Amino acid sequence: DVKVTQSSRYLVKRTGEKVFLECVQDMDHENMFWYRQDPGLGLRLIYFSYDVKMKEKGDIPEGYSVSREKKERFSLILESASTNQTSMYLCASSSPGTGNTEAFFGQGTRLTVV
Amino acid sequence: GENVEQHPSTLSVQEGDSAVIKCTYSDSASNYFPWYKQELGKRPQLIIDIRSNVGEKKDQRIAVTLNKTAKHFSLHITETQPEDSAVYFCAASNNYQLIWGAGTKLIIKP
Repeated sequence: DVKVTQSSRYLVKRTGEKVFLECVQDMDHENMFWYRQDPGLGLRLIYFSYDVKMKEKGDIPEGYSVSREKKERFSLILESASTNQTSMYLCASSSPGTGNTEAFFGQGTRLTVV
Repeated sequence: GENVEQHPSTLSVQEGDSAVIKCTYSDSASNYFPWYKQELGKRPQLIIDIRSNVGEKKDQRIAVTLNKTAKHFSLHITETQPEDSAVYFCAASNNYQLIWGAGTKLIIKP
C-alpha cells in the first residue's frame, strides 16, 4: 500500500516566519509534487520534481521554494510566510511516465498564517 | 498551455439517481484523463481513468466517456449512494504533468 506522509496535519505560523512542509513517500517514486488547494480553485501546482536534486516551477511558485535531497523526501519551503499563503497543501508522488500515471496524495497540511 | 474546465461546481442529486460531471480540455495532445474523488477531510484518490485510445470505460457504478473531437470527457455515476458524496476532480495530461479541473462538489440527498 502506497504511503505518502506529510509531517503535519495542521500548522499555525506567524507572518514572516520561514515554514517547512515535509513529505515522505515509501514507494520509490521518481516524481513528487506540491499542490495548493483552495475552494473553487482546484489543485494548483506549486513545484514538482522528477529526480533527486531536480525541481521545476509549477503554476504558482512565487513565495515558495523546494528541496529534494533524497528520493523519498520532498520539502516545501515558505521563505517568509504571508496571510495569503493560508491554505491546504497537498503532496503527491507518482512513478515514471510523468503525467499519465496515478498520483498518490498525502493527507494534506492545513496551514494558517496569522 | 493546457486548460481544464469542470462543470458544474456543485451537483445535488437524489439518492439512487445518476450524476454526470463534465470536463473540457484545450490541448489536443492530451492523452490521459483521470478522475479523483476527495471525501471530506481526506486525500484525493484515483477512482477511474481513461486514455485517448479508448472512448469509454466502466467500473461498476462509475463510467467515464471521452470525446476527443470535441475535447471533453465526463464522469457518470449511476444509482448514487450516500458514500458518493465528495468533491470530484478531473484532470488532463499530455505526458508532462496533470492539469486539474476546479472540482465538483457532489451532494447526495436522502
